[in-house]
Amino acid sequence: NAGVTQTPKFRVLKTGQSMTLLCAQDMNHEYMYWYRQDPGMGLRLIHYSVGEGTTAKGEVPDGYNVSRLKKQNFLLGLESAAPSQTSVYFCASSYFEDGETQYFGPGTRLLVL
Amino acid sequence: GQQVMQIPQYQHVQEGEDFTTYCNSSTTLSNIQWYKQRPGGHPVFLIQLVKSGEVKKQKRLTFQFGEAKKNSSLHITATQTTDVGTYFCAGLSGTSYDKVIFGPGTSLSVIP
Repeated sequence: NAGVTQTPKFRVLKTGQSMTLLCAQDMNHEYMYWYRQDPGMGLRLIHYSVGEGTTAKGEVPDGYNVSRLKKQNFLLGLESAAPSQTSVYFCASSYFEDGETQYFGPGTRLLVL
Repeated sequence: GQQVMQIPQYQHVQEGEDFTTYCNSSTTLSNIQWYKQRPGGHPVFLIQLVKSGEVKKQKRLTFQFGEAKKNSSLHITATQTTDVGTYFCAGLSGTSYDKVIFGPGTSLSVIP
């Protein structure tokens, strides 16, 4: 049981480049989330999904897109990376909505030059 | 909008001393969760509090949810070096999941 996995672990991008972060979970969770973590700002929700084929915006969605084509996978896309998107990105999943325990992946460190 | 604040931002303690972090929300919460993140790691769920005035203990950790369900605290008795990390509270307000707001965290350093 791998839990929540994220790829890649680390990436350097140039401004304007695009990339996709992959999150996978093997716990059959319905809900999945993407957060970004910046120093002194805690975790901010970017987008989330309440089930396969559905996505919704969180607190800071601008500049990001997501897709949930399969229940176990949640993809976060950056179409045109900006230095302000330099951050650590965490994916999480949970079984129920309404504040159920969230299980976090190991994170992806992204540096945009 | 809803805000969740935590104090202090940083805390340095001598090993064996007690530690407390406080979490305050601008709105009434349905529940509150606490997570711990070790340096370089990812947040790990510690506990969830749901009821007004609820107190839960996990070994040396004591969690409390305020009577008004707008604040919470985490107290660690006799800190150990294994307690090092950042402690986040996360509050849920309402029933929509985008209302889950994480506090900025309290970073704990333990001096051996």
